[in-house]
Amino acid sequence: EVQLVESGGGLVQPGGSLRLSCAGSGFTFSSYWMSWVRQAPGKGLEWVANIKRDGSEKYYVDSVKGRFTISRDNAKNSLYLQMNSLRAEDTAVYYCARHIDTYFDNWGQGALVTVSS
Amino acid sequence: QSALTQPPSASGSPGQSVTISCTGTSSDVGGYNYVSWYQQHPGKAPKLMIYEVTKRPSGVPDRFSGSKSGNTASLTVSGLQAEDEADYYCSSFAGSNTYVFGSGTEVTVL
Repeated sequence: EVQLVESGGGLVQPGGSLRLSCAGSGFTFSSYWMSWVRQAPGKGLEWVANIKRDGSEKYYVDSVKGRFTISRDNAKNSLYLQMNSLRAEDTAVYYCARHIDTYFDNWGQGALVTVSS
Repeated sequence: QSALTQPPSASGSPGQSVTISCTGTSSDVGGYNYVSWYQQHPGKAPKLMIYEVTKRPSGVPDRFSGSKSGNTASLTVSGLQAEDEADYYCSSFAGSNTYVFGSGTEVTVL
């Protein structure tokens, strides 16, 4: 059974940093592109970033470019999102999701990030 | 990278059909046959319902179907059941390995 488990969420002040992790199991992690998708409270889904199987390519939504960095460690079956210069509008549940071609076939349960003073 | 446009709400009685639209541009929905749909119950993670416009993953009832015409994709839920009450989101490949989601539609079973 495919499992994705996020961790690392919490409360952070504006301008601060946070690192999310996503542990994958039940599949060959290194064979899949992975993404982060977020959902602000009461709002819709927003794709944030994705990373190629070997980590050689990374793509971001414009609103996080230069502030967020996606990475992975295939030896640890883990995906990461380093978030710097956090803003109130980054407050959201962050999901990691597995890619199959151009869609997301499995999702984690999400990690809540709250940016507030 | 603007969100795709979906109606905020849709509803139907049990057994009826409901269709949700998802309107984008020629740079996303209209440019690729890579539209997917996700169901999300309150407090839960999204679940894949349709991919590549019309395909259903194993385990998804055939009451769910997808289509596309030009820059607008649609999800139809036939034979509505109580458990279909949820939020639904479309998503499209938008080129250069980026993706865009729809604004979401809340489906109510009357």
